[in-house]
Amino acid sequence: SAVISQKPSRDICQRGTSLTIQCQVDSQVTMMFWYRQQPGQSLTLIATANQGSEATYESGFVIDKFPISRPNLTFSTLTVSNMSPEDSSIYLCSVGTGQQLQHFGDGTRLSIL
Amino acid sequence: AQKITQTQPGMFVQEKEAVTLDCTYDTSDPSYGLFWYKQPSSGEMIFLIYQGSYDQQNATEGRYSLNFQKARKSANLVISASQLGDSAMYFCALNSGSARQLTFGSGTQLTVLP
Repeated sequence: SAVISQKPSRDICQRGTSLTIQCQVDSQVTMMFWYRQQPGQSLTLIATANQGSEATYESGFVIDKFPISRPNLTFSTLTVSNMSPEDSSIYLCSVGTGQQLQHFGDGTRLSIL
Repeated sequence: AQKITQTQPGMFVQEKEAVTLDCTYDTSDPSYGLFWYKQPSSGEMIFLIYQGSYDQQNATEGRYSLNFQKARKSANLVISASQLGDSAMYFCALNSGSARQLTFGSGTQLTVLP
């Protein structure tokens, strides 16, 4: 299985600021995904990030708020822009490997004051 | 559209006993995959087990087995010989067709009692 490193592991931010979360994989993968998990809730897909193309966003998520970069097959970033307390969540990246499997990074626990 | 339903918000089990966590799903695509993940309080998502819709046998991984009943659209997770370290949130998830992104259920909080 792929080894996924996600940074930062946690952060406390002021409202109105932006934070960029990095996801690094130890092997080349075609598809990377970004999920959000609000407190006490399940995971919701934000967007799918394929190398060389624009990210595909799910309903309720927009590029201006959650810009994503995918410069190569091992790396992606998610930025949470103009943060408000409602953005306090765990953000997780995942990669698709082999036979439909998906593995996750350790997540970024974000709190907005 | 695809949907995953976990009807047990919380479950308790005695250490060393077996426990079944329920999961039902709905998809119109004949090709799909079902996943179970464990999420400890630290927040990471740990992959446990996978079942493909065309797999003839139920998946097993160590103490984890998946009771796959295709006609009933259920994919229950069975944990045998529960350990205190099994206390965590458990999520069932589905992807179908060519889509690789996962749809998650609401989760079941499992507590193993000493």
